[in-house]
Amino acid sequence: QKEVEQNSGPLSVPEGAIASLNCTYSDRVSQSFFWYRQYSGKSPELIMSIYSNGDKEDGRFTAQLNKASQYVSLLIRDSQPSDSATYLCAVRSTSNTGKLIFGQGTTLQVKP
Amino acid sequence: EAEVAQSPRYKITEKSQAVAFWCDPISGHATLYWYRQILGQGPELLVQFQDESVVDDSQLPKDRFSAERLKGVDSTLKIQPAELGDSAMYLCASSRLATGANVLTFGAGSRLTVL
Repeated sequence: QKEVEQNSGPLSVPEGAIASLNCTYSDRVSQSFFWYRQYSGKSPELIMSIYSNGDKEDGRFTAQLNKASQYVSLLIRDSQPSDSATYLCAVRSTSNTGKLIFGQGTTLQVKP
Repeated sequence: EAEVAQSPRYKITEKSQAVAFWCDPISGHATLYWYRQILGQGPELLVQFQDESVVDDSQLPKDRFSAERLKGVDSTLKIQPAELGDSAMYLCASSRLATGANVLTFGAGSRLTVL
């Protein structure tokens, strides 16, 4: 079992729709979770971080965390073609190094 | 806005040659990471520094890869000899600390192609 798992996609949604991206993780005691966006050929950029169960909203983005189910998701409302990218879920390791462990990413395509 | 600087942006080399990448983290960031991202996969940590000390190099292929951060500021990642499977994006990132809410900021990356 991979430490952080994502469906590689592609996930295709029409412009204006809600895109839902999902991630599961294996370390039950993980505390810090991050979503990064990566455009083709570019480096990852942080979109959202979440540390507590529940929802966290920032503009069109909502991160959801359920520690009991070891599940974190990212919702993108009113999806735009410019949202087309790969979305990487990352979980901070509970080891003393605190490294970030990434999933393989989900490719999102927003069609005009 | 502070940035993580990396060079070169692109490197094409032949197998068995040596290659080196350089990274200058955001000022004041004690933790520096080198990740490797193969096309279609997520970034994988190669080495993590806390100041000048290596705190995690468990996934670094030590027979051919080396990394240093001599003065606890900038860092160099070296590959010698390069192999075809080393073709990837090499990402440097930094954070103030390595715990909790401290987020990683990535540089633009160095794209390596081994022929």
